[in-house]
Amino acid sequence: QVKLLQSGAALVKPGASVKMSCKASGYTFTDYWVSWVKQSHGKSLEWIGEIYPNSGATNFNEKFKGKATLTVDKSTSTAYMELSRLTSEDSAIYYCTRGDYYSSYLYVMDAWGQGASVTVSS
Amino acid sequence: DIQMTQSPTSLAASVGESVTITCLASEDIYGSLVWYQQKPGKSPQLLIYGATILEDGIPSRFSGSGSDTQYSLKINSLQPEDFASYYCQNGLSTPRTFGGGTKLELK
Repeated sequence: QVKLLQSGAALVKPGASVKMSCKASGYTFTDYWVSWVKQSHGKSLEWIGEIYPNSGATNFNEKFKGKATLTVDKSTSTAYMELSRLTSEDSAIYYCTRGDYYSSYLYVMDAWGQGASVTVSS
Repeated sequence: DIQMTQSPTSLAASVGESVTITCLASEDIYGSLVWYQQKPGKSPQLLIYGATILEDGIPSRFSGSGSDTQYSLKINSLQPEDFASYYCQNGLSTPRTFGGGTKLELK
C-alpha cells in the first residue's frame, strides 16, 4: 500500500536550517506530486509547496518562498524539504503528502506521512 | 488566493446524532473541494473529494454536498471514532488553501 515515511523530530537553533525527508513506497514515485503541509500547534493546515519528482517542477505558497526548498532523489523515492533561517514561527509539524490531479481541476492529497515535528529553540 | 472559511470552529454532539460542517470559498471553485479528517495525534486522512465523492473505505454515513462557493460535510449517526477535526481544502488552484478546521467533540 501507499506509504510515506518521514524523518524524525528535530530540535534546531534559531537561525539554523533543517532538512527533512519523506520516503515513498507502494507506488510509482515519479507519477505523483509531493506536497508539504505545515501544522502549527493546535492550528489549521497550511500548504507550503509541491514538487513533481519526474521533472523537478515546483509550485510554492508565496509565504514560503525563500523559506522552503523542495528536492527529490528519484533513485530512492525520497522527497526532501529544507527550511532555512528558522525562527520560533517555524516550530510545527510538517507533513509530506502524495498529491494527484483527480481531474484537470481537482488536486487531492490522498496519502499523508506521519508528520515530522520541528522545534526551534535555543 | 482563495480563502476557505469553515463553520463552526467547534461543535459538540452525541453518539448517534447527525452534524453538518460548512465550508465557504471566497470564489467559485467549481466543485473542487476536498474534505479531510484528522484524529488527535494523527495525520489528516482523505474523506471526500470533488465535493461529493467518498474516498474508498470511508463509511457511507459521511456525505458531501455543495457547489460554486458553498460546501457541506454531513455525518449521520455519529460514531465514537468520528470525533475528530475536519478540514476543507481548495482543490482548484495554488496555493492549496485549507479551511480553519472544525473540531467535533463529544457532548
